[in-house]
Amino acid sequence: EAQVTQNPRYLITVTGKKLTVTCSQNMNHEYMSWYRQDPGLGLRQIYYSMNVEVTDKGDVPEGYKVSRKEKRNFPLILESPSPNQTSLYFCASSQYSGQEAFFGQGTRLTVV
Amino acid sequence: GEDVEQSLFLSVREGDSSVINCTYTDSSSTYLYWYKQEPGAGLQLLTYIFSNMDMKQDQRLTVLLNKKDKHLSLRIADTQTGDSAIYFCAVAGYSTLTFGKGTMLLVSP
Repeated sequence: EAQVTQNPRYLITVTGKKLTVTCSQNMNHEYMSWYRQDPGLGLRQIYYSMNVEVTDKGDVPEGYKVSRKEKRNFPLILESPSPNQTSLYFCASSQYSGQEAFFGQGTRLTVV
Repeated sequence: GEDVEQSLFLSVREGDSSVINCTYTDSSSTYLYWYKQEPGAGLQLLTYIFSNMDMKQDQRLTVLLNKKDKHLSLRIADTQTGDSAIYFCAVAGYSTLTFGKGTMLLVSP
């Protein structure tokens, strides 16, 4: 089954404790991206990757890192999480930029 | 950058038609999408339209595109309670999809 898998689905952590949210797709897609969803703000793009070893900042990259060492994986790293990063995070992939995006189920992160 | 606007809320009765509207700013957009998000779930692609089309129909869904006015709409015929969700308009640019803030559709029996 074609899918985008994120882990974990729920995470509560403390300020400053590094964490990684994993994202994996099995569709051999070139393009992957991370979004955060906040009430009243919709989805905002954090980072995207057009291909392996190619990553770029989206609209709200501050406080986040990503890497794309393999085509299927695109982890989101929070080196020092802060409460304003409490949000619902989505990973998405598509064959190429601008084409139909497939979304993961989301990761609800709470930073206390 | 691209700006995508949607009304935030729509309430209809079961059996009525729903129309969700979206406006965007970048006239060079190629694909325009409608996604649906049910509570606690990710976004699911409903339908899309290519920029050289005016209309696309897919069962109960009709997408209308007015390129001159940069206006996109989604019509849901015979709306059911299971259609209650948040609907996002998304516009494809060179390197990203830009989403509207979403329209919450509430369908009452």
